[in-house]
Amino acid sequence: KNEVEQSPQNLTAQEGEFITINCSYSVGISALHWLQQHPGGGIVSLFMLSSGKKKHGRLIATINIQEKHSSLHITASHPRDSAVYICAAHPPIGGATNKLIFGTGTLLAVQP
Amino acid sequence: NAGVTQTPKFRILKIGQSMTLQCTQDMNHNYMYWYRQDPGMGLKLIYYSVGAGITDKGEVPNGYNVSRSTTEDFPLRLELAAPSQTSVYFCASSTPDRHEAFFGQGTRLTVV
Repeated sequence: KNEVEQSPQNLTAQEGEFITINCSYSVGISALHWLQQHPGGGIVSLFMLSSGKKKHGRLIATINIQEKHSSLHITASHPRDSAVYICAAHPPIGGATNKLIFGTGTLLAVQP
Repeated sequence: NAGVTQTPKFRILKIGQSMTLQCTQDMNHNYMYWYRQDPGMGLKLIYYSVGAGITDKGEVPNGYNVSRSTTEDFPLRLELAAPSQTSVYFCASSTPDRHEAFFGQGTRLTVV
């Protein structure tokens, strides 16, 4: 079992729909990243959060430390949101490793 | 802002050939990383560096070497390319608190 699990693996939505991507982790973390990867493109950091909620435009990320769970929401989805969304857990600062632990990603396709 | 720059974007190697993937960042970040991304898998850490002159192995270091002679540059060397090294490679750097990560555009490498 992966230390960072994402669901769903694949998601198809109609333009305008509200989208939720989930991330659960089984390790202690100091922060969690949400990353976006467009087909054939590089990786862009969307959010880094260690508690509560962050919002950027139509994107909202939440994290519940007690439940070891984070969600990425996209409101009023658009075809340009089609991408792979990756969550990555950051181990505690000062721990034995700097390694980010990555989920396998959620492939989102938003159809017009 | 250039951020993290990787070259080349694409490369085809024959088995046994060698090559260097270049990575440079202009943000004065101490922490730099090399990841590989295989289909259906999360990113795996190959090597990382916490500063000039310091490198360490990640999860999948076999078949690779790195060096960090300057803060800006973190090249990844493949000495004897093998088909198992066919992958997409990402270089990344992070802020001093290691929370904000910046990724390069990726290098798609095929070994035939």
